Amino acid sequence: ILNVEQSPQSLHVQEGDSTNFTCSFPSSNFYALHWYRWETAKSPEALFVMTLNGDEKKKGRISATLNTKEGYSYLYIKGSQPEDSATYLCAFISGGSYIPTFGRGTSLIVHP
Amino acid sequence: ETGVTQTPRHLVMGMTNKKSLKCEQHLGHNAMYWYKQSAKKPLELMFVYSLEERVENNSVPSRFSPECPNSSHLFLHLHTLQPEDSALYLCASSQDPGGHTEAFFGQGTRLTVV
Repeated sequence: ILNVEQSPQSLHVQEGDSTNFTCSFPSSNFYALHWYRWETAKSPEALFVMTLNGDEKKKGRISATLNTKEGYSYLYIKGSQPEDSATYLCAFISGGSYIPTFGRGTSLIVHP
Repeated sequence: ETGVTQTPRHLVMGMTNKKSLKCEQHLGHNAMYWYKQSAKKPLELMFVYSLEERVENNSVPSRFSPECPNSSHLFLHLHTLQPEDSALYLCASSQDPGGHTEAFFGQGTRLTVV
């Protein structure tokens, strides 16, 4: 069983604050890491697919970094808005099995 | 709208019933997935189909039976379920099953077994 940990479990911030969360995964046999945003009553939505050590990806105010050697990825949100409120999931895919293992997610609530 | 549609959105069934969940994707993807989201647990992969062939079966009980008649449709047949099978069941699709392409999810079926 692969261990994929996300921290913090939940986060409350004020509108305009910048925030970041962590996804930790096994540092061996890395294949890919996915980040998803899951808003209440909606479908999980892909944010990033990261495949190379050192990858940095950006979509608007959201960006992510990847360190496969130490087994972590950071997700950053700059200037949080209430519409950013959601659960952010990461999924680790190892080489060989190609089965995504999801973390429990970080629940972000942005207060106006 | 993600291009992945699941029906029904909610389902209540008894332990002796037989029901099916349906998933349809109009994205031209080659891989389709069933996931289970139980309360306070991470999303758990159940099955993966690539080009209509099952490529992964993640130790799921036989009371869950998947079917992929073509690359656009995926079913999950349910029979003699247990109350602990109550969960949100999500379908997803991706261009390929390898993990280098993002998955697109449906909105899920909320299943309650009574």
